[in-house]
Formats: sequence, C-alpha cells, structure tokens
Amino acid sequence: DVVMTQSPLSLPVTLGQPASISCRSSQSLVYSDGNTYLNWFQQRPGQSPRRLIYKISNRESGVPDRFSGSGSGTGFTLKISRVEAEDVGVYYCMQGTHYPWTFGQGTKVEIK
Amino acid sequence: QVQLQQWGAGLLKPSETLSLTCAVYGGSFGTYYWTWIRQTPGKGLEWIGEINHSGSTNYNPSLKSRVTISVDMSRNQFSLKLTSVTAADTAIYYCARESRGPDCWGQGTQVTVSS
Repeated sequence: DVVMTQSPLSLPVTLGQPASISCRSSQSLVYSDGNTYLNWFQQRPGQSPRRLIYKISNRESGVPDRFSGSGSGTGFTLKISRVEAEDVGVYYCMQGTHYPWTFGQGTKVEIK
Repeated sequence: QVQLQQWGAGLLKPSETLSLTCAVYGGSFGTYYWTWIRQTPGKGLEWIGEINHSGSTNYNPSLKSRVTISVDMSRNQFSLKLTSVTAADTAIYYCARESRGPDCWGQGTQVTVSS
C-alpha cells in the first residue's frame, strides 16, 4: 500500500496568519492517464470529512480561495493563506492513484 | 446536489455481521463509483472498497475476505456487509461518492462491537 505521511501532526496557528501542511507519499502518485490523484480533506469537529482539493490543486466548488494545494510526484502541500476560526479541524491528504486508496494520519489545526 | 443518507445497526457482538446501507439522492447514481470508508481513533481513515452501478467492485485487500459491497440500482442504494466482526471493527463508517477521492460523504454511522 502507498503510505501517506503528513507533517506536522499538530499545528497551532494565530488567526489571520498562514498555515502549511506537508504530505509525502511512499511512491509517485502520477497515474497512467497523466493525472496525479492527490486530495485534501477537512474534517471539522463532529462532522464528516469534506473534500477541499482534488488532483493536487483544484478547489472544490464553494471552497474559499485562501486554501491552495501544490506539489508533484511524491511531495504535496496544503496552504491556508490566512487562517480563520472556521478552519479549525483535522486535515487529511489522500491518494486515489493506487489501490487501495490511502489517507495520511491527519493534521490537527487549532487556534493559538 | 447529491445527498447520501446511511443507516444500519450500531451495536454488534463479536462474530456478527455488520450491515449498512446508503441511499443516494439527487441523481448521477449510474455515473460514479460509490465507496465505504471507516474511521477509528487508532488507524484513522481507512478505505474499505467501492462499487459502480453495474456491480463492479474494488476492495481493500486488508478486509477483502470479510467484505461484500452490493448495489441496488432500482433504489439508488448500495450496501456494505462485513462478516465476523471484532472489537477492531469498531469505527465510524461513512458512505461516499467516489471520484478518485470521495467528493460527497454521508453523515456517518457509529458501529460498536462489544460483547
């Protein structure tokens, strides 16, 4: 299985400041069709996960543009340009290139 | 806007069979794969498997021997069965629409296995 490794696992941030989460995969996530199926999810307390980003950098409809994704191959980053109170929760990366799909351990974002 | 609503037994005894169903509202059932994912405090999020409208499936090898995912096209529903459950299967189970990454999730069902 592809191992997804996130860092940090805990991220205290100040409101209005940027935040960055790293995700590394144990093998390349480039699929035979040329796409890289790397997703980012947000899970607020008590809620189901919600997909924010797909194929590295594409925002889902309704996702604020302060969220952005980047990377390639085996290294990826989720950035929040200015953290707001509603961004508190756990963020997961997930690969959809190699079966079985696998998730990172999660990064807990909290306000300082 | 697609919505997923899931249900099933929340308390099981060891060796019993977990059974959950997910109904899809809002169309597009025949276009996508549909998936089950579970979440535990210890192992985090774990992909269980997926199915499409014609019954084609993919399973996580770690659970494959105990898992069956089925589909009912007439009702726009899909189901999960997990046999011989143990305490390790205690988790929140989610159904979701699959797009090489779930893009729409059900509300989740807490399943607890305890004698």
